[in-house]
Amino acid sequence: DGGITQSPKYLFRKEGQNVTLSCEQNLNHDAMYWYRQDPGQGLRLIYYSQIVNDFQKGDIAEGYSVSREKKESFPLTVTSAQKNPTAFYLCASSRDRNNQPQHFGDGTRLSIL
Amino acid sequence: GESVGLHLPTLSVQEGDNSIINCAYSNSASDYFIWYKQESGKGPQFIIDIRSNMDKRQGQRVTVLLNKTVKHLSLQIAATQPGDSAVYFCAETSGRRALTFGSGTRLQVQP
Repeated sequence: DGGITQSPKYLFRKEGQNVTLSCEQNLNHDAMYWYRQDPGQGLRLIYYSQIVNDFQKGDIAEGYSVSREKKESFPLTVTSAQKNPTAFYLCASSRDRNNQPQHFGDGTRLSIL
Repeated sequence: GESVGLHLPTLSVQEGDNSIINCAYSNSASDYFIWYKQESGKGPQFIIDIRSNMDKRQGQRVTVLLNKTVKHLSLQIAATQPGDSAVYFCAETSGRRALTFGSGTRLQVQP
């Protein structure tokens, strides 16, 4: 089945450590997105990519980095500069960015040890 | 600033009743709207979308109404079932701007 796969489902990070969250899609979508969701709240955009080798900052990009070397993959690195990384991270993709629905993965829950 | 918000954080309905979830948006340039359903521990699931050249769109048991005059969006669920219990988000955008999500409404279906 076509879809978006995020891994791992649960991730723990030690203080001062970088961690990378995986997002893979086989929908042949051009655009991909990373969101952060805190308990009881909506989604906030971290980064997005419209095409391979291109990405843009969203509303809360500080402390995060991304790459888009392949169309199918859009990994997110949570760096040690992100002082409050505990959250639910959601990856999404869409055919393009021109008024198309985004399809989401099932998220990665990141916690600090 | 631009915002998308919801009137009711929690909605409790009886099984079999109809549910109405409301959403207000502030950006008059918004021309594309989506409703998502999110179950606990999962990603949001697309329910239905509507473009600004329409004021109503129907799906299976769901209807989205758009009132551009008052910048209001609603999701109607007919014959609500226990499986409909979830958090519902509206989202909006215009052109190539990224989606802006509301904070969500929790729907609780009582058996």
